[in-house]
Amino acid sequence: TQLLEQSPQFLSIQEGENLTVYCNSSSVFSSLQWYRQEPGEGPVLLVTVVTGGEVKKLKRLTFQFGDARKDSSLHITAAQPGDTGLYLCAGLTGNQFYFGTGTSLTVIP
Amino acid sequence: GAVVSQHPSRVICKSGTSVKIECRSLDFQATTMFWYRQFPKQSLMLMATSNEGSKATYEQGVEKDKFLINHASLTLSTLTVTSAHPEDSSFYICSATTGGFRQPQHFGDGTRLSIL
Repeated sequence: TQLLEQSPQFLSIQEGENLTVYCNSSSVFSSLQWYRQEPGEGPVLLVTVVTGGEVKKLKRLTFQFGDARKDSSLHITAAQPGDTGLYLCAGLTGNQFYFGTGTSLTVIP
Repeated sequence: GAVVSQHPSRVICKSGTSVKIECRSLDFQATTMFWYRQFPKQSLMLMATSNEGSKATYEQGVEKDKFLINHASLTLSTLTVTSAHPEDSSFYICSATTGGFRQPQHFGDGTRLSIL
């Protein structure tokens, strides 16, 4: 059983569409991060959220941390082929760090 | 700043061979390095935590005699897959921090290990 469940697991959309990826847990996290990983490379940190209800924007990407700090979402507006990759949430609880199950996004030109 | 170099990027070798993977922090001192394993389109699974100058801590289900970790300096950790078999084929990724999980992790670009 994974501590952080992401949905959907796979997502294939047309360029220009919007999408949301969810990261859910029954545990409370002191901080939560989102990464994007391309094939054959290590994950790259996109954002860190630490406050319940916090919203951060990075160009067309909007990240939200749930009020109870148990869940998070990533919304991409007007997706582009360059957004294709594996998106991973990851959370810190106590001294333990967990990656989510991952969402593989493909944006079709 | 905060660059982590992982070498080699790809290894193909015969069953029974031992393979060493290096993880170097190029511009900072990494008191902690983490080793992950990843299968295609799946998430990263933590294998072990490596602290400089002490024995690595392995996650449940990871064989310490199979996956030897040495963190001999503040800039280098190595993972040796001993007597590798096809089921050990995977993508191995390291990360480095200046202080455990509470500091940002800086990831290497991974090593693709293929055992024939």
